[in-house]
Amino acid sequence: GESVGLHLPTLSVQEGDNSIINCAYSNSASDYFIWYKQESGKGPQFIIDIRSNMDKRQGQRVTVLLNKTVKHLSLQIAATQPGDSAVYFCAENIGQGNLIFGKGTKLSVKP
Amino acid sequence: DTGVSQNPRHKITKRGQNVTFRCDPISEHNRLYWYRQTLGQGPEFLTYFQNEAQLEKSRLLSDRFSAERPKGSFSTLEIQRTEQGDSAMYLCASSSGTSGGAGATDTQYFGPGTRLTVL
Repeated sequence: GESVGLHLPTLSVQEGDNSIINCAYSNSASDYFIWYKQESGKGPQFIIDIRSNMDKRQGQRVTVLLNKTVKHLSLQIAATQPGDSAVYFCAENIGQGNLIFGKGTKLSVKP
Repeated sequence: DTGVSQNPRHKITKRGQNVTFRCDPISEHNRLYWYRQTLGQGPEFLTYFQNEAQLEKSRLLSDRFSAERPKGSFSTLEIQRTEQGDSAMYLCASSSGTSGGAGATDTQYFGPGTRLTVL
């Protein structure tokens, strides 16, 4: 079946460096993608989203890139801070009400 | 705090017992979603409501699970005859539903979840 997945399950970066978290999706009908951050014991927190008619969107310290040709999504975090340590999920919406989540990438920031 | 709230935050029960969780969505959000998340996995969709109407249910939602949203505001998720395999985090999310259709850019905001442990 079609699914959203992640290339790397864990990522360790030095404080102040940039982080890049990748996600592959296989559902060509997906028209909306979202990145969520989930800290231990908490619910997913919305970070940034992008529509399928865009290839880049920037927020505060975060940028999402969408490459529909290869069905790839990435989240870039600039100047990574200890507070960014969490599990990051990409999710896709194929227009049926529910989100399809990947398995998540754990980001660890070393001081 | 005007975010999504869920109660209780933790629930420990014995196998075979019934449990009920409550979700209060963001005020004026007319869509409400339930997801289940097991350790190390992403959330999995269970069901969603548009106002009081339950519009979609996943095959994960067995006949032991029932969800309601009687007045189009808060929702409850009940699990009957709990099994150890029901142990998970149950997440609720809401969205404004104003983007036209259940897809597009209808951002879902999640609550803190209810962690269920079935002994």
